[in-house]
Amino acid sequence: GESVGLHLPTLSVQEGDNSIINCAYSNSASDYFIWYKQESGKGPQFIIDIRSNMDKRQGQRVTVLLNKTVKHLSLQIAATQPGDSAVYFCAETGSGGTSYGKLTFGQGTILTVHP
Amino acid sequence: DTGVSQDPRHKITKRGQNVTFRCDPISEHNRLYWYRQTLGQGPEFLTYFQNEAQLEKSRLLSDRFSAERPKGSFSTLEIQRTEQGDSAMYLCAVRAAPMETQYFGPGTRLLVL
Repeated sequence: GESVGLHLPTLSVQEGDNSIINCAYSNSASDYFIWYKQESGKGPQFIIDIRSNMDKRQGQRVTVLLNKTVKHLSLQIAATQPGDSAVYFCAETGSGGTSYGKLTFGQGTILTVHP
Repeated sequence: DTGVSQDPRHKITKRGQNVTFRCDPISEHNRLYWYRQTLGQGPEFLTYFQNEAQLEKSRLLSDRFSAERPKGSFSTLEIQRTEQGDSAMYLCAVRAAPMETQYFGPGTRLLVL
């Protein structure tokens, strides 16, 4: 079936560095993408989202880039802090039809930020 | 605070027992989703409610699983005759249409011995 996957399972950075987490998706019908952060023992926390009619969206210290040509999504975190250490998931959904907005998640990337 | 609470947060049970989890959105959300997450994996879709109607069920939801949303507000997920393979985190998420973002609760971690 369709799936969303991540290139890197782990990422280790120094505090203050910029982090880039990548994600590949295979469903060409996907038109809405979300990045979530999940800390140990907690539910996924919304970070930022992007629709397929955009290629870039910025938030506070985070930027999401979407390349529909190669079905690739990335999350950039500026000035990474120890509190950013968590597992990061990309998720996608297609609008309309029978998708009902259910999310398909990738495997996740473990981000570790060293002080 | 995502506006979604789940109870209990942790549940340990013996194989063969029945368990029930509850999801309480703080405010009205017409769409409610249940997901299951096993260790090291992303959440997997289980079922979806629009108001009180259950509109879709994943093939992951065997006949031992049942979910309800009787008044279109809180929801329950019951697992009958639990198996060790049911051990996972069960997550509830809500969405307020027309927005598409789903906000998750803290989850219920189930361990079946």
